[in-house]
Amino acid sequence: DTGVSQNPRHKITKRGQNVTFRCDPISEHNRLYWYRQTLGQGPEFLTYFQNEAQLEKSRLLSDRFSAERPKGSFSTLEIQRTEQGDSAMYLCASSLDRGGGTGELFFGEGSRLTVL
Amino acid sequence: EDKVVQSPLSLVVHEGDTVTLNCSYEVTNFRSLLWYKQEKKAPTFLFMLTSSGIEKKSGRLSSILDKKELFSILNITATQTGDSAVYLCAANAGGTSYGKLTFGQGTILTVHP
Repeated sequence: DTGVSQNPRHKITKRGQNVTFRCDPISEHNRLYWYRQTLGQGPEFLTYFQNEAQLEKSRLLSDRFSAERPKGSFSTLEIQRTEQGDSAMYLCASSLDRGGGTGELFFGEGSRLTVL
Repeated sequence: EDKVVQSPLSLVVHEGDTVTLNCSYEVTNFRSLLWYKQEKKAPTFLFMLTSSGIEKKSGRLSSILDKKELFSILNITATQTGDSAVYLCAANAGGTSYGKLTFGQGTILTVHP
């Protein structure tokens, strides 16, 4: 499969625990994005990378959240000291930016987090 | 702050009906408007619109953008039960924020047989 891959697909954790999600983008894509989606809402932007550089972070991304893309390929999103309000679907997307690209993002299936 | 608003929030129709979904946006440094379909999993891309007044079509779906009035519509003709999904509209900003999509809350479409 050559699409965007995310794992785990589901994670149930207790409040206060740390969780980490992984995203493998489409191989030739240089941009990678993280979004969060709660029930009944559209996805909300969290952060994005151009290759390994994190270019923008949303105010939604508190200091408990950290994202990395160490070699410009896969990315991880870590949430420390989880809270019940962190329960959501975490979507990863990738795109190919040629400096004037289409803006079309390809989304993964998402990682659903439930914090008890 | 960038904002995208979709209407209606939900719509129930019967097979064969035609539906129109609306999307209005306020985005700094607007570049493009995208429509996605989401069926309980990842959003799948439908259209990207950059120019006003040029209709894009794909089968029974079509979409158009009005950059003066800052809105877009998505039309689905002869609806089928397989069209049941959440339809998301997103505005793409330009400049260094290129690719950062601001999504609307979605329109839930239910098509009954």
